[in-house]
Amino acid sequence: DAKTTQPNSMESNEEEPVHLPCNHSTISGTDYIHWYRQLPSQGPEYVIHGLTSNVNNRMASLAIAEDRKSSTLILHRATLRDAAVYYCILSPRGAAGNKLTFGGGTRVLVKP
Amino acid sequence: DTGVSQDPRHKITKRGQNVTFRCDPISEHNRLYWYRQTLGQGPEFLTYFQNEAQLEKSRLLSDRFSAERPKGSFSTLEIQRTEQGDSAMYLCASSLGAANTEAFFGQGTRLTVV
Repeated sequence: DAKTTQPNSMESNEEEPVHLPCNHSTISGTDYIHWYRQLPSQGPEYVIHGLTSNVNNRMASLAIAEDRKSSTLILHRATLRDAAVYYCILSPRGAAGNKLTFGGGTRVLVKP
Repeated sequence: DTGVSQDPRHKITKRGQNVTFRCDPISEHNRLYWYRQTLGQGPEFLTYFQNEAQLEKSRLLSDRFSAERPKGSFSTLEIQRTEQGDSAMYLCASSLGAANTEAFFGQGTRLTVV
């Protein structure tokens, strides 16, 4: 499975934007980029995913580099509830396309 | 439907005992996944089902582990002869069959082997 690299941790102030980088230089042409987050004592929660174009939903935006070797998850206005571990995952298209290979993720701390 | 539910939420067992966990996926989801997560690490894939068929098993799934999904509905994960290294959070997820749809996770079963 293609690998992703994320910073171990990031801090943000409440109501400020958070930009979470992810490097995936070995991504293949059919890999989707998924983001999940895991709040304390809970299972992971889907955030967003994309293939080539930037994506927006009610939770976040996903900016994908033109060469697809990196992406950035953008939380527009961080709240205390956004404090979690954020995982960037490459998911291959196909029969096992929903099998997720988690790395270490980025722990986001939101300061009031 | 309230999402993916797992039972029990917590289990403490003595080394050498067998344990079984249950996962009830979202009703229309035909794919079901099991993951294991140890403290400070991301979840690790164990196995997945499409309907009742177990299509993939990780090398992490030793012979002491077995998973079933009879009739393609709920699933069980059994660990025989538990070891202290089996202590972890066991997470279940489900999704629709289409590629790259989102997976919905349960809150997990925390296993402690003493």
